[in-house]
Amino acid sequence: AQSVTQPDARVTVSEGASLQLRCKYSYFGTPYLFWYVQYPRQGLQLLLKYYPGDPVVQGVNGFEAEFSKSNSSFHLRKASVHWSDWAVYFCAVSMRSNYQLIWGSGTKLIIKP
Amino acid sequence: EAAVTQSPRSKVAVTGGKVTLSCHQTNNHDYMYWYRQDTGHGLRLIHYSYVADSTEKGDIPDGYKASRPSQENFSLILELASLSQTAVYFCASVDRGRDAETLYFGSGTRLTVL
Repeated sequence: AQSVTQPDARVTVSEGASLQLRCKYSYFGTPYLFWYVQYPRQGLQLLLKYYPGDPVVQGVNGFEAEFSKSNSSFHLRKASVHWSDWAVYFCAVSMRSNYQLIWGSGTKLIIKP
Repeated sequence: EAAVTQSPRSKVAVTGGKVTLSCHQTNNHDYMYWYRQDTGHGLRLIHYSYVADSTEKGDIPDGYKASRPSQENFSLILELASLSQTAVYFCASVDRGRDAETLYFGSGTRLTVL
């Protein structure tokens, strides 16, 4: 069955440090993958998306993600985090048959000063 | 930028009572969705609609009704609220003809059923 797993419920990093948030997917076929971010007291908003092509995709605010078919992964990265990155990050895969998204459980990113 | 507003921001309801959550979008998107979010879980689709006066069941529709009286408005109705419906509810809209997987979300409604 199609699914998305975010193994880390919470990640804590120091401001200025690099970041990787993990996402594993299970999908029959070619996946279309997404990262959404939920800032405190706000709704979710799109951070970046992968359509088949270049495996590394760039998003807003210095975020990027890399698709790996062999590892069934779509990890999110940032070279240097800022306190404003404190948020919950959701990975999702699209059911292309009806464009519905299957969501991971989210990873809460906490920034240490 | 698409604007989706939800009301109320939070609500406390009693078991067996009726609850209505409202959603309003201003970008003339065709599709609208209701999701619920539970701690430690991803978003789960409750109902959606692709045109006014029509709604469709999502993955977890039991215990919920939806209403789309106009392009802009989409409501979620709990006729008999239960403890298990305590969650955060998100409304979202999308222009399926233009970018089918970029959803625009409201800020959520935190519902507590006592």
